[in-house]
Amino acid sequence: GQQVMQIPQYQHVQEGEDFTTYCNSSTTLSNIQWYKQRPGGHPVFLIQLVKSGEVKKQKRLTFQFGEAKKNSSLHITATQTTDVGTYFCAGGRVTGGFKTIFGAGTRLFVKA
Amino acid sequence: DGGITQSPKYLFRKEGQNVTLSCEQNLNHDAMYWYRQDPGQGLRLIYYSQIVNDFQKGDIAEGYSVSREKKESFPLTVTSAQKNPTAFYLCASSNGGSYNEQFFGPGTRLTVL
Repeated sequence: GQQVMQIPQYQHVQEGEDFTTYCNSSTTLSNIQWYKQRPGGHPVFLIQLVKSGEVKKQKRLTFQFGEAKKNSSLHITATQTTDVGTYFCAGGRVTGGFKTIFGAGTRLFVKA
Repeated sequence: DGGITQSPKYLFRKEGQNVTLSCEQNLNHDAMYWYRQDPGQGLRLIYYSQIVNDFQKGDIAEGYSVSREKKESFPLTVTSAQKNPTAFYLCASSNGGSYNEQFFGPGTRLTVL
């Protein structure tokens, strides 16, 4: 079935370094959502992108949706220890079945 | 104070016993979902319900059952047929269409001994 692939699985960075996670789908998505799960916590919604080529920013976080609506990225500038956690993308299916598919997540570790 | 509650936070059961996980929301959301999360893994959909008295199987429904008799409640039963039930279970809800953001509960960590 349709899958949303997310890479990398893990990322270790030094505080102050940048971080990027990528999400790819084999088919066109209607939208992409991003969630953050802190260690021991539950996923919390960050943002949704709907338009082709859309770019949104939240402070140090930049979210992009590809022109073909098949890929997305989340970039964090100058990571902080508070950025630690797992970042999930979730793609909206255009046709058939349940509408939202979660990627496996990228776990970010930040060393102070 | 609106939100989603799941109880209990930690649950221990003996192998071969059925167990029911509670999920309640007071957000007036139509859609509710159950996910399973294993260590280092993503979210896998077990069941979802888009309206009261209706629910659909997700990707890993075998060994699980649900009911949706009330809008605010979506309990999940982990049956003895589930071969590897030890996991972190997350309940979520969303408003309106399926593309809307999902609000997650705090989760229940189930350990089967």
